[in-house]
Amino acid sequence: DVKVTQSSRYLVKRTGEKVFLECVQDMDHENMFWYRQDPGLGLRLIYFSYDVKMKEKGDIPEGYSVSREKKERFSLILESASTNQTSMYLCASSHLVVPEYEQYFGPGTRLTVT
Amino acid sequence: TQLLEQSPQFLSIQEGENLTVYCNSSSVFSSLQWYRQEPGEGPVLLVTVVTGGEVKKLKRLTFQFGDARKDSSLHITAAQPGDTGLYLCAGAEGGADGLTFGKGTHLIIQP
Repeated sequence: DVKVTQSSRYLVKRTGEKVFLECVQDMDHENMFWYRQDPGLGLRLIYFSYDVKMKEKGDIPEGYSVSREKKERFSLILESASTNQTSMYLCASSHLVVPEYEQYFGPGTRLTVT
Repeated sequence: TQLLEQSPQFLSIQEGENLTVYCNSSSVFSSLQWYRQEPGEGPVLLVTVVTGGEVKKLKRLTFQFGDARKDSSLHITAAQPGDTGLYLCAGAEGGADGLTFGKGTHLIIQP
């Protein structure tokens, strides 16, 4: 079974703090993704990576950065957390296989910025 | 960016009833996935459909991909409380940037 793990299930941070969210997958997937999920807005893609050290902006990259130093690990960084970044953050991974592009998700991190 | 519209947004029915939820787009997708998400958890992949007109069954769940690969439906027979959750459809456009997600259907099955 594909397993995607995220470093924290719940996180509370203060405005202005630097926040690191870690994601690890054990299926040797090429692609990794970070989404945020908010009520009424659905899942929105923040960043994705299709290879080590490669990154691409998604639909809402402002205020975030990412790092992929190893194939199995993809980190999301909030440089200076703000209250509007309070959200559910979901990491996903997939093989670079057409046409399915099946993504497998981690359990999510519920981040609250106060 | 292609859009996926899901309907209904919310659905609450009694145990034992049948239901259908829809996922529609004006654009063509190379494949379409359905996920179920429970509160506080990540989405779990249920099925992928690839060929226009394809029908897949997963126990009491039947998934269909439209002939033109622009839409899909999920039919649940004899719904059970364990079917409760957020059902998401997601379409692949063929690039490496992943999937386009619909906003989901919140399904509640009352015992």
